[in-house]
Amino acid sequence: DQQVKQNSPSLSVQEGRISILNCDYTNSMFDYFLWYKKYPAEGPTFLISISSIKDKNEDGRFTVFLNKSAKHLSLHIVPSQPGDSAVYFCAASANEGAQKLVFGQGTRLTINP
Amino acid sequence: DAGITQSPRHKVTETGTPVTLRCHQTENHRYMYWYRQDPGHGLRLIHYSYGVKDTDKGEVSDGYSVSRSKTEDFLLTLESATSSQTSVYFCAISDRDTEYFGPGTRLLVL
Repeated sequence: DQQVKQNSPSLSVQEGRISILNCDYTNSMFDYFLWYKKYPAEGPTFLISISSIKDKNEDGRFTVFLNKSAKHLSLHIVPSQPGDSAVYFCAASANEGAQKLVFGQGTRLTINP
Repeated sequence: DAGITQSPRHKVTETGTPVTLRCHQTENHRYMYWYRQDPGHGLRLIHYSYGVKDTDKGEVSDGYSVSRSKTEDFLLTLESATSSQTSVYFCAISDRDTEYFGPGTRLLVL
């Protein structure tokens, strides 16, 4: 049973526009959420995280929103750049920190010139 | 970049042979993890370690064993490789706020 779901396998966005990646979870014990970016033949790299005590966290062009009642989080990238083309994974933990992560299936983001 | 290396980076083996993958860190982090990545599944936790000689099972541990005799090294062993274990394997380490991933090992079991 998939506890963390990314229902969009792929997303295509024009350069300069906003990219919105979505993630849903089912386990109400999750209290810490992260987004990772992955290029081919490389390991995932950390982008941004959010604790369940917050509903928004921002870092430069990246903002993560958390809606606990809907068990939904989203990653906004503004403005989108060609280098943002990658696979994005959301992950969740029930350990008050980044331990024993449960990952979604990933969304492939393509930024078009 | 976190100091994590994995070896080998690529391996082709035959069904029934034992395989050991190595993860080495230079960050002195307590927690280390092994994940596998497969299409449609994202990354799934195989085993993890919370200290020297302290390990536990993850979501997909069947057919795998691990050992950690030193803080810096975490070994993943496939006792008898099967074709279903063809995958990309990632090691990770964590502090409280983030898990950092190694570059991955691509394993093909024929």
